[in-house]
Amino acid sequence: DTEVTQTPKHLVMGMTNKKSLKCEQHMGHRAMYWYKQKAKKPPELMFVYSYEKLSINESVPSRFSPECPNSSLLNLHLHALQPEDSALYLCASSQEVLAGLSATNSPLHFGNGTRLTVT
Amino acid sequence: DAKTTQPTSMDCAEGRAANLPCNHSTISGNEYVYWYRQIHSQGPQYIIHGLKNNETNEMASLIITEDRKSSTLILPHATLRDTAVYYCIVLESGGYQKVTFGTGTKLQVIP
Repeated sequence: DTEVTQTPKHLVMGMTNKKSLKCEQHMGHRAMYWYKQKAKKPPELMFVYSYEKLSINESVPSRFSPECPNSSLLNLHLHALQPEDSALYLCASSQEVLAGLSATNSPLHFGNGTRLTVT
Repeated sequence: DAKTTQPTSMDCAEGRAANLPCNHSTISGNEYVYWYRQIHSQGPQYIIHGLKNNETNEMASLIITEDRKSSTLILPHATLRDTAVYYCIVLESGGYQKVTFGTGTKLQVIP
């Protein structure tokens, strides 16, 4: 079991569908992340939210739309996806450490992902 | 962030120590060494991190060379459940982290 919960565990969607992936954590973490992982490849960073604001977008196509409605929730809205977008989508969170206040780092806590298949 | 180099794969007999090396020759003074692992069909799991001193926790030990250009993750008594891909990552301190995974080492623990 992980402290980061992702739903659904599996999702099959057509290229014209709109769906959302959800991620929830209750550890008080203020940084949240989306990663994409293709088979037999390492996870690739997509987005980072810090204090509910988008801090990093790794040039992700606009058919992926992240949303952070509050400090515990992170969504990834999907629209008009392509079959090559089929992958494991991982959510993670970490304790935000404001620069200059501490040299201590907070490791990332990952969920077990949503396995997405686009048909 | 500094790059890391790890062997593609390693085998270890069950019950023996697994020693996973990582080279990070361009590491800078404020960069930490982190280790994560990913068991099949699960999300990555944090193992341990360190700056320059050796570290130990309930999962593993981390040995960092004096020049900090390489490190070794040690699983003291490997079990079949330790079969996973192990990722070595270097990161600056503070703030949210742009954690970039390399290809990692696939550790196979053999009965």
